[in-house]
Amino acid sequence: DAGITQSPRHKVTETGTPVTLRCHQTENHRYMYWYRQDPGHGLRLIHYSYGVKDTDKGEVSDGYSVSRSKTEDFLLTLESATSSQTSVYFCATRTSGSSGTDTQYFGPGTRLTVL
Amino acid sequence: DAKTTQPNSMESNEEEPVHLPCNHSTISGTDYIHWYRQLPSQGPEYVIHGLTSNVNNRMASLAIAEDRKSSTLILHRATLRDAAVYYCILRDGSARQLTFGSGTQLTVLP
Repeated sequence: DAGITQSPRHKVTETGTPVTLRCHQTENHRYMYWYRQDPGHGLRLIHYSYGVKDTDKGEVSDGYSVSRSKTEDFLLTLESATSSQTSVYFCATRTSGSSGTDTQYFGPGTRLTVL
Repeated sequence: DAKTTQPNSMESNEEEPVHLPCNHSTISGTDYIHWYRQLPSQGPEYVIHGLTSNVNNRMASLAIAEDRKSSTLILHRATLRDAAVYYCILRDGSARQLTFGSGTQLTVLP
């Protein structure tokens, strides 16, 4: 296991409020990812990071921002939460090898409910 | 990532072998075949990967067809703990993320 923790594990919030989810890793992996998982859609990439201060958008990035000021931490922020962002959010890390042979390690997930 | 096709669900009896198929007819020569699984209420976890040759590790075996258009994940003795959604994913060197399909829901019967 890559030692990935996510906080909080569960959160209920109201529409329009800002929310920040944290992912912390202890393996010094260069790449970090945020996915969301919804019934009928599987896991979809929100944002990813390929180094400190280096981030890029995934396929469902609207309404989300990320920051990575340290190798071990990757933050996902919902600036103004909406009910469509109710989901389970997974953080993942990847080693720096060729992405054809790499392994991704996933955190335990954060269940977010936006009322 | 190229597309994969898996059955929606499969059942197995405990302590029997399980063969989970995956079709990937549009696979390219540089695509690796990866398998992940997701246990209930957990994040996905890596199972195994291969390119051309069959692969074994402590969790499972991966059998790859000679033309690479299909592969089979083999669990040699299923346990109740193996009940999960199994995802077959193709990866090349340029892909930045894993592209998950719907996977196969494996039910293990006691």
